[in-house]
Amino acid sequence: DSGVTQTPKHLITATGQRVTLRCSPRSGDLSVYWYQQSLDQGLQFLIQYYNGEERAKGNILERFSAQQFPDLHSELNLSSLELGDSALYFCASSVDGGNQPQHFGDGTRLSIL
Amino acid sequence: GQQVMQIPQYQHVQEGEDFTTYCNSSTTLSNIQWYKQRPGGHPVFLIQLVKSGEVKKQKRLTFQFGEAKKNSSLHITATQTTDVGTYFCAPKAAGNKLTFGGGTRVLVKP
Repeated sequence: DSGVTQTPKHLITATGQRVTLRCSPRSGDLSVYWYQQSLDQGLQFLIQYYNGEERAKGNILERFSAQQFPDLHSELNLSSLELGDSALYFCASSVDGGNQPQHFGDGTRLSIL
Repeated sequence: GQQVMQIPQYQHVQEGEDFTTYCNSSTTLSNIQWYKQRPGGHPVFLIQLVKSGEVKKQKRLTFQFGEAKKNSSLHITATQTTDVGTYFCAPKAAGNKLTFGGGTRVLVKP
């Protein structure tokens, strides 16, 4: 158990819809990272928050947004969903802004029908 | 920006044999991390290398950081079925964010 909690585990929705994925980091970790992993693909970095502020941005679409709340949990919002958005979305957390190891949650599997 | 190449993309190994996977960066790195993702699982941190030429061992796994700090390797000896999974390197250059390589998917033939 990594200590990172992601909900929901599975999400099935239709094109054009909007969903919110939630992540609770390990206790004491200040950074939260979001990654997208399509079937049998690598990890595509989306965005990082550190102590409530956006720290780094990757290949995140304009239809996607995220935030980190004062209690350090984070949400990833995906809107105007397309079939190609079907993927496993991982959240990871680390104690600092980027040099320390990342601890991954079990992921949310998003299926767009 | 920083480019990361991990080779090979796929590695089919006979149980009991050794293999090596390589990670190459276009820029000099401050450190590099390695992760393993089992099929159906999430990436799990294995190790971090910081010093030039550093070598670290974890049982049958040997991790090495290049002298120029632009590449790294993971060598597994006497491969077992428990080694199945995808191994990701995650190099970090100073001032940059951590970047995950494309991974080496390891399949073990019993």
